[in-house]
Amino acid sequence: KNEVEQSPQNLTAQEGEFITINCSYSVGISALHWLQQHPGGGIVSLFMLSSGKKKHGRLIATINIQEKHSSLHITASHPRDSAVYICAVRSGDSNYQLIWGAGTKLIIKP
Amino acid sequence: DTAVSQTPKYLVTQMGNDKSIKCEQNLGHDTMYWYKQDSKKFLKIMFSYNNKELIINETVPNRFSPKSPDKAHLNLHINSLELGDSAVYFCASSHTSLGAQYFGPGTRLLVL
Repeated sequence: KNEVEQSPQNLTAQEGEFITINCSYSVGISALHWLQQHPGGGIVSLFMLSSGKKKHGRLIATINIQEKHSSLHITASHPRDSAVYICAVRSGDSNYQLIWGAGTKLIIKP
Repeated sequence: DTAVSQTPKYLVTQMGNDKSIKCEQNLGHDTMYWYKQDSKKFLKIMFSYNNKELIINETVPNRFSPKSPDKAHLNLHINSLELGDSAVYFCASSHTSLGAQYFGPGTRLLVL
């Protein structure tokens, strides 16, 4: 079992739908990252969380430390949101290592 | 302005050759990283430098040698390239070892 699990692995939705991507982890962490990888391969860091909730535009990220769970939400989804979304946690035992989830491939159809 | 840049973007070469990939960040960050993205899209850390000092050296063949001439640069040199080295290599940087990581666009290496 991976230390970081994402669900779903693949998600196809219609433009405008509310999107939720989940991330569960089994290790103690000091921070959790959400990243976006575009079809061309570039990676963009979206959020870094250690508690609570963050919002940036149409993106919202939440984390529940007790439940070891984080969610990434996209409101009013758009085809340009199509990408792979990756959850990565920074282990509480190590200041440097990030443990990566497998990613969620999101496709938004017009 | 590009925050983390990598050159080249694409690299096609033959087995046995030696090649280098360069990474530069203009964010004033202290920590830089090299990752390899495998065929399943997993990102695996290879090396990390903090203030020009090596702090992470994962189990990679010693054909891979990182070099950090200064805080803003972390280059990756690969000797005697093998077919299995074909992958996308990502450079990243963060303000401190605990900070959010900013990624370069990736270098697609194809070894023939």
